Amino acid sequence: QVQLVQSGAEVAKPGASVKVSCKASGYSFSSYYLLWVRQAPGQGLEWMGRINPGNGVTEYAQAFEGRIAMTRDRSTNTAYLELKNLRPGDTAHYYCAKICGGACYGGAFDVWGRGTLVTVSS
Amino acid sequence: QSVLMQPPSVSGAPGQRVAISCTFNSSYIGTIHDVHWYQQRPGAAPKLIIFAGDNRPSGVPDRFSASQSGTSASLAITGLQAEDEADYYCQSYASSLRESVFGGGTKLTV
Repeated sequence: QVQLVQSGAEVAKPGASVKVSCKASGYSFSSYYLLWVRQAPGQGLEWMGRINPGNGVTEYAQAFEGRIAMTRDRSTNTAYLELKNLRPGDTAHYYCAKICGGACYGGAFDVWGRGTLVTVSS
Repeated sequence: QSVLMQPPSVSGAPGQRVAISCTFNSSYIGTIHDVHWYQQRPGAAPKLIIFAGDNRPSGVPDRFSASQSGTSASLAITGLQAEDEADYYCQSYASSLRESVFGGGTKLTV
């Protein structure tokens, strides 16, 4: 079945970087955009950006420009999110999700990973 | 001000109908595309329940329906059940921002 499996929880210090992975299975990895969404404790969902796994082209939310990088490895069907210069306000669950296709359309996000908790603390 | 605005909370008794609104910021009207809806239970990842206006993915009960106009969208849940208690988010793409956006979320209490 279609699955997105994320890496485990991370603890990082302010100013450091963190890299979270998202391994896809059960579908053609290169055919559907993967995106990242974060959720701070008790807060709503925030779209961070997306990557086209086929060609590696990325689009980032303006709020993260300059300190975000999304990459992918087609040999392992894995997408990565790196967030740099971390601040305490970056403490959140980070989710990867897949753009839907086939019978689903319109740019909705139909499959989600379980999330990776990133804690930023000195 | 947010691009998509939702009420913080709604409530209803079991068996009743509730509606959750998603109002478009007037500055972005005309640039917001199809609206989608997600359900998020405590401790879980969001789950797609409505895509592109009023379409349900396989497995989502027909108690869930939605509508969309040029200025807002709305999610309706009929025959409320205890398991419907969750946070609900609307989401779309704002072409003027070239970003996907979420509403602030609505907590449904049954």
